[in-house]
Amino acid sequence: QKEVEQDPGPLSVPEGAIVSLNCTYSNSAFQYFMWYRQYSRKGPELLMYTYSSGNKEDGRFTAQVDKSSKYISLFIRDSQPSDSATYLCALGSGGSYIPTFGRGTSLIVHP
Amino acid sequence: DTAVSQTPKYLVTQMGNDKSIKCEQNLGHDTMYWYKQDSKKFLKIMFSYNNKELIINETVPNRFSPKSPDKAHLNLHINSLELGDSAVYFCASRRADRDSPLHFGNGTRLTVT
Repeated sequence: QKEVEQDPGPLSVPEGAIVSLNCTYSNSAFQYFMWYRQYSRKGPELLMYTYSSGNKEDGRFTAQVDKSSKYISLFIRDSQPSDSATYLCALGSGGSYIPTFGRGTSLIVHP
Repeated sequence: DTAVSQTPKYLVTQMGNDKSIKCEQNLGHDTMYWYKQDSKKFLKIMFSYNNKELIINETVPNRFSPKSPDKAHLNLHINSLELGDSAVYFCASRRADRDSPLHFGNGTRLTVT
């Protein structure tokens, strides 16, 4: 079992839909949780960053962490075609300089 | 005013050649990294440099060697290129505190023929 599991998709939704992207992990040492967005032929860019269990909201994006279930989610409200990208979760622990990435979920939002 | 820039953007070369990819960051970050992203989008850490010292080197062939002339630059040299080296290589940087996020460049797409 990989340390971080993420369904590669593609996930195709109509414009305006609520999108749910998820990762599960096995290492309970992970303490901080990130979501990166990667457009085609671009580098990943940080979208959301959180330490604790619970929800963190930023505009149309909400990151949710459930440490007891080792499950993290990213919700996108009112999805737009410009949200079409690959979304990668990344998890890190205090003892490591290197976050562990999921393989990314490809999201397609069609008009 | 790109934060993390890498050149070239595309690199096509033949097996057996030696090539270099350059990376520069203007964020004042202390640590720089090289990642390899394969066709399945997995991002795999290759190297990390902190204050000009290699601190992590995963199971990467010794044909790959990072070179850091100063804190703002981390170049990647690849000798005797192989077909399996074809991938997108990303440079990244971050602050020294352990939980600060990574900032990525836009990648170098390497194709070995």
